[in-house]
Amino acid sequence: KQEVTQIPAALSVPEGENLVLNCSFTDSAIYNLQWFRQDPGKGLTSLLLIQSSQREQTSGRLNASLDKSSGRSTLYIAASQPGDSATYLCAASTSGTYKYIFGTGTRLKVLA
Amino acid sequence: DAGVIQSPRHEVTEMGQEVTLRCKPISGHDYLFWYRQTMMRGLELLIYFNNNVPIDDSGMPEDRFSAKMPNASFSTLKIQPSEPRDSAVYFCAITRGTGAFSQPQHFGDGTRLSIL
Repeated sequence: KQEVTQIPAALSVPEGENLVLNCSFTDSAIYNLQWFRQDPGKGLTSLLLIQSSQREQTSGRLNASLDKSSGRSTLYIAASQPGDSATYLCAASTSGTYKYIFGTGTRLKVLA
Repeated sequence: DAGVIQSPRHEVTEMGQEVTLRCKPISGHDYLFWYRQTMMRGLELLIYFNNNVPIDDSGMPEDRFSAKMPNASFSTLKIQPSEPRDSAVYFCAITRGTGAFSQPQHFGDGTRLSIL
């Protein structure tokens, strides 16, 4: 059964810093992996989706990588801004079941 | 850019009452999902539909929960009777394109449900 872990649970950084959020999964038979952002009181916003055949995806200041052999994905945020403050969740879709299993998220605070 | 409107945004009701949550996609979609989010269990998939047909309801916790999609523009999640442990935020999400889990998922802002 797929399990998804995100460490740390919370992170505070000064504005302008480059940072990495981590996502670990137990079953390497990944179909795809999706990173989301969730603002307080809001739904999830899809940031990046990495297919199993891909190693990384980029959108603006965001870069997500996928390493199936090590069971890890990272979300890299360049030049962080206070507007990046939110909870970031990763979700792994596993071949066979395909349904997403979500991590519990990393709550990010970027200080001005 | 939710692509999905959920109502009500908040619902407070007493145990034993029937609760109906609503989801309205505001643009084209191929799949519609209902999720539940709690502090203890995180985000869980309850059920999803393709072309208004339920595909997988294995995540529905009990027979007290039911979901329908009478047409492409509307879906409901009903709890009857409701219990305090049903308190959670319920999200509706959609995807566009082939494959339920091949495309980005677009979430509504959720319904925060409190059962007293």
